[in-house]
Amino acid sequence: AQKVTQAQTEISVVEKEDVTLDCVYETRDTTYYLFWYKQPPSGELVFLIRRNSFDEQNEISGRYSWNFQKSTSSFNFTITASQVVDSAVYFCALSEDDNTDKLIFGTGTRLQVFP
Amino acid sequence: EPEVTQTPSHQVTQMGQEVILRCVPISNHLYFYWYRQILGQKVEFLVSFYNNEISEKSEIFDDQFSVERPDGSNFTLKIRSTKLEDSAMYFCASRSGTSYYEQYFGPGTRLTVT
Repeated sequence: AQKVTQAQTEISVVEKEDVTLDCVYETRDTTYYLFWYKQPPSGELVFLIRRNSFDEQNEISGRYSWNFQKSTSSFNFTITASQVVDSAVYFCALSEDDNTDKLIFGTGTRLQVFP
Repeated sequence: EPEVTQTPSHQVTQMGQEVILRCVPISNHLYFYWYRQILGQKVEFLVSFYNNEISEKSEIFDDQFSVERPDGSNFTLKIRSTKLEDSAMYFCASRSGTSYYEQYFGPGTRLTVT
């Protein structure tokens, strides 16, 4: 069965600190896709990144970086030099390559960045 | 930049009433979805829709729910007889045929059942 675990319910940091959000997934498939979405206080879901299971290369986009490790079934998200605008709930999600493309979300991590 | 839109942003209804939540997906997208998020909880898949039929539905999507694409632009979710536990944020999402698995979400409709 597929499952996404975000053990950190809430994280608080002070601006300019680096912060890592953890995501651990479970799947029986060898081909799958991992995602991160941001949900700011306004409520919408903003797509951040998609990673395919056959591409373990880490990715950096500005202050954001993602560390995908199949050996530990983890897909962690790091924000460098956090800013107040990063305050949001962040969801990790999984989709399996089994003729269905539903997203299975984790429970989310609420990040609060204080000035 | 094209975006998914949803109306209304907030719907209040009485238990037992029918509600229709509306979505306009991104225009060249072919796959459509509904998800819901009970306040403070995770986002849950309800249903996916492609080529004018349901591709998959979750156990939440029982006979009280239905989806429709009545024209070339709208995608609707109907709840026939709302229950208190249907109170949630409902998100519509869509993706193109080429951008596999990259679903773009609308801003959501907050449904409050009283």
